[in-house]
Amino acid sequence: AQKVTQAQTEISVVEKEDVTLDCVYETRDTTYYLFWYKQPPSGELVFLIRRNSFDEQNEISGRYSWNFQKSTSSFNFTITASQVVDSAVYFCALSGIPGTALIFGKGTTLSVSS
Amino acid sequence: GAVVSQHPSRVICKSGTSVKIECRSLDFQATTMFWYRQFPKQSLMLMATSNEGSKATYEQGVEKDKFLINHASLTLSTLTVTSAHPEDSSFYICSARPGTSGGKFEQYFGPGTRLTVT
Repeated sequence: AQKVTQAQTEISVVEKEDVTLDCVYETRDTTYYLFWYKQPPSGELVFLIRRNSFDEQNEISGRYSWNFQKSTSSFNFTITASQVVDSAVYFCALSGIPGTALIFGKGTTLSVSS
Repeated sequence: GAVVSQHPSRVICKSGTSVKIECRSLDFQATTMFWYRQFPKQSLMLMATSNEGSKATYEQGVEKDKFLINHASLTLSTLTVTSAHPEDSSFYICSARPGTSGGKFEQYFGPGTRLTVT
C-alpha cells in the first residue's frame, strides 16, 4: 500500500527563519512520483515540484529547495528566509504509474509571523 | 496552458437537495479526471476516477449512488451530490489528466468547490 506521512501538523516561525517540512513515503513501486503542493487560504492547490523515483538530485528554486533521499524514503522541503506569504498548508503527495491519482499526506500548516 | 476550471466555486444548498459541480479542462482534452474531497483542516482524499465515456471507479467507502459522476466529453466531468446532507459539506477538488500520448501524464487541479449543506 502507498502512504505519505507528514508528521508535522503545524509549524510556526518568524520571518526570515529557515523551515523544513518533512515528508516520508511508503510504496512498493519501483517507479513513482513525489509532489509538493501549497494550499493557501483560498483553497486552490499550487503545484511546487514533481520528482520521479529515478532522479535523486536535490533541487533549488529560489528560496525553495527539496531533498530527496530514497534510502530513507523521504522528500523534505525547505524554505529559506521564510516570508509571511509562505503561510499556507503544504501537502506532500505520491503517485505510482504516471497519471494515476495522488495520495496526499495530511499536510503541514506553516504560519510565518512578521 | 493546462487550465482546469470548476463551477460553482461556492454553493450552499438545503439538506435533501442535489447539487452539481462541473470540472472543465479549458485548453486540453482530459481522458481522465479525478475527484477529491477535503474536509476542513484535513487532507485530500480521492473519491473517484472517471474516464471519458466509461463508468467512474469509486474508492472504497464512497457511495456511487450518492456521488454521481459523469464524464461525457473530453473536457467536462460532473459530480452530482444527490440528497445532500450536512455531513457532505466539504471542499471538492477535481484534477484532469491529458492523454498519455507523448508522455503527457501531468495532472492539473481545479480551484475547488466549497459545498455547504444547511
